[in-house]
Amino acid sequence: DAGITQSPRHKVTETGTPVTLRCHQTENHRYMYWYRQDPGHGLRLIHYSYGVKDTDKGEVSDGYSVSRSKTEDFLLTLESATSSQTSVYFCAITDTKREPYNEQFFGPGTRLTVL
Amino acid sequence: AQSVTQLDSHVSVSEGTPVLLRCNYSSSYSPSLFWYVQHPNKGLQLLLKYTSAATLVKGINGFEAEFKKSETSFHLTKPSAHMSDAAEYFCVVSDDPGANNLFFGTGTRLTVIP
Repeated sequence: DAGITQSPRHKVTETGTPVTLRCHQTENHRYMYWYRQDPGHGLRLIHYSYGVKDTDKGEVSDGYSVSRSKTEDFLLTLESATSSQTSVYFCAITDTKREPYNEQFFGPGTRLTVL
Repeated sequence: AQSVTQLDSHVSVSEGTPVLLRCNYSSSYSPSLFWYVQHPNKGLQLLLKYTSAATLVKGINGFEAEFKKSETSFHLTKPSAHMSDAAEYFCVVSDDPGANNLFFGTGTRLTVIP
C-alpha cells in the first residue's frame, strides 16, 4: 500500500465551512496527488505536487487549495465547502524508483459529505 | 493529448464465463497503460500495467490485457469469471513518463451472476 494514510476517513460538514484533508506517506516519495471520485467520472485530478512547496493544478482545481511543507504530508483544503464537493477523495503517490516510473499507489480514500 | 474511453459502463457475466472489458486510448507518445480495480468501498488496486516490454500483459487474479497499437486498444480479459471479480475497473493512461500524471477512464462496473 506504499505506506499511504488519509485522515479523516469520513467527514460530514456544512456548506461554507473550511475543510482540510490530510495525506501522509512514509516512503519519501516525491510526487503526490489528490483526486476526487464521482459516479460517471472516474477519478479526476485536483492538484498534484512534485516536491516540498512545489504544487500545480489538475483538471478540477477550482475551490481547492493544497500545501506541501514536508515531503510526507500533502494537505487538501476546501476554503468554503459546497455541496458539489461532496465526493470521495483519494490521495496517491508515484513510485519513481521502478519501471514504468509513473505507477501510482492510492490511499484508502476520504468520504466527504457537504450538507 | 491523452484520453481514455471505456466502452461499457456496465458488464454482466455469469460465473465461470469469460470477461471482456474494453478500453481505447489516445496518446501523443508511447503510452504507459494500467488497469486498476476497485471493490465496493475500497481503494484502488493495480491489476496490471503495460510498459512497452511485451504487448500481452499478465496481471493478478488471472487477468490479462493486450496492447494493440494499431487499434489503440488495451482490453482487459479473464478466461473464467469468479464471484470475487465483481468490482469497478478503471483503464488508465499516462503518455509521458516524466509527467507522472494519469488519466482515468470513467470505469466499468462488472457484475458476476452466480
